[in-house]
Amino acid sequence: AQSVAQPEDQVNVAEGNPLTVKCTYSVSGNPYLFWYVQYPNRGLQFLLKYITGDNLVKGSYGFEAEFNKSQTSFHLKKPSALVSDSALYFCAVRDVGSYIPTFGRGTSLIVHP
Amino acid sequence: DGGITQSPKYLFRKEGQNVTLSCEQNLNHDAMYWYRQDPGQGLRLIYYSQIVNDFQKGDIAEGYSVSREKKESFPLTVTSAQKNPTAFYLCASSAGVSGNTIYFGEGSWLTVV
Repeated sequence: AQSVAQPEDQVNVAEGNPLTVKCTYSVSGNPYLFWYVQYPNRGLQFLLKYITGDNLVKGSYGFEAEFNKSQTSFHLKKPSALVSDSALYFCAVRDVGSYIPTFGRGTSLIVHP
Repeated sequence: DGGITQSPKYLFRKEGQNVTLSCEQNLNHDAMYWYRQDPGQGLRLIYYSQIVNDFQKGDIAEGYSVSREKKESFPLTVTSAQKNPTAFYLCASSAGVSGNTIYFGEGSWLTVV
């Protein structure tokens, strides 16, 4: 079985400050982990993924995520937030051998000017 | 341009009517998916297809039907049996191999009037 949790419904951060959006997961095997961003009335856009290798994954728009196996976490980070980063962020996990990812409930990121 | 095209973007349905949402992809992906998104509930899987002429029910298939006659097309029919069809519907596709990224279309809004 696989599951993913995004413990915060909303994250508020000031423009220019670092941001973190949290994600924890549970899988029976090795995880494939993904982050997506969704702007209002739009589809989900892929940001980055972890399959294997380096624990720090770099993605689009300056985002990065750190895979932590011992804490079963895959938090999304950005060193300096922009107002335009305000959106809904989804974490997803897929167990090895599964076609179907499980998505978190989403975290609304609000970046204040 | 390569990608996933959903149409229409907005659709209004009278109670008792069936409606079909179109999804076409030119990414040569084997797997295709339909998700439903309701506010605060994240994404829920309706149906998925790993290959042409084959599809499987997801978590909330009741009141929906699909077909996969061509690799590039995966239309979703919302039948009158679906009790609460008003939602945002997202089509997605992936290359089909475990770990590959799922890519999404821009979504379709269905409103029952």
